[in-house]
Amino acid sequence: GAGVSQSPRYKVTKRGQDVTLRCDPISSHATLYWYQQALGQGPEFLTYFNYEAQPDKSGLPSDRFSAERPEGSISTLTIQRTEQRDSAMYRCASSQIAGGAYNEQFFGPGTRLTVL
Amino acid sequence: DAKTTQPPSMDCAEGRAANLPCNHSTISGNEYVYWYRQIHSQGPQYIIHGLKNNETNEMASLIITEDRKSSTLILPHATLRDTAVYYCIVRANSGGSNYKLTFGKGTLLTVNP
Repeated sequence: GAGVSQSPRYKVTKRGQDVTLRCDPISSHATLYWYQQALGQGPEFLTYFNYEAQPDKSGLPSDRFSAERPEGSISTLTIQRTEQRDSAMYRCASSQIAGGAYNEQFFGPGTRLTVL
Repeated sequence: DAKTTQPPSMDCAEGRAANLPCNHSTISGNEYVYWYRQIHSQGPQYIIHGLKNNETNEMASLIITEDRKSSTLILPHATLRDTAVYYCIVRANSGGSNYKLTFGKGTLLTVNP
């Protein structure tokens, strides 16, 4: 596609509910990243994929957070039993490869999650 | 990755050059300096990166000191649309956690008319 897209753009949920966020990366990009951004802060790394493989999920805050990319393209981030502290902007990015000096990451518009 | 230090905010007059400093005194030999910016509510956008030589592209120039402990991002003719948070990031080109970007708090640049 022309750029990274994310859906939904806004999600309001009640505490304890599960939510799933979707990311559609640039079609030629092998690598996909998830970041969490609190208000007034820079994005913080959550996890990333090289195609279907998920080499690093150390940034996921708890086992309530999980991510998938089963066919190496679209990815989902699922938060189970949401808590108010999960409220944040969730950003997805993609790049042609992981690492390397010329590894520009392209970011999507984000999903604003609000947990009531 | 080495840590970076940036001023929290700066102002610049429209049409003037904006010079955004960044300190990265613990940078190591294989680490690059990257700059991204984030315009209100949008995703971060890549601007430029460099290792030790000065770099220029259509968006900006990057000046890295000879000892590589600091750098300056220069927007030669700032416009109102350049108002954004600018992030200086140090990242290795291979090994370790070089795949991820570690954002600090950045510098909020406000371009005034």
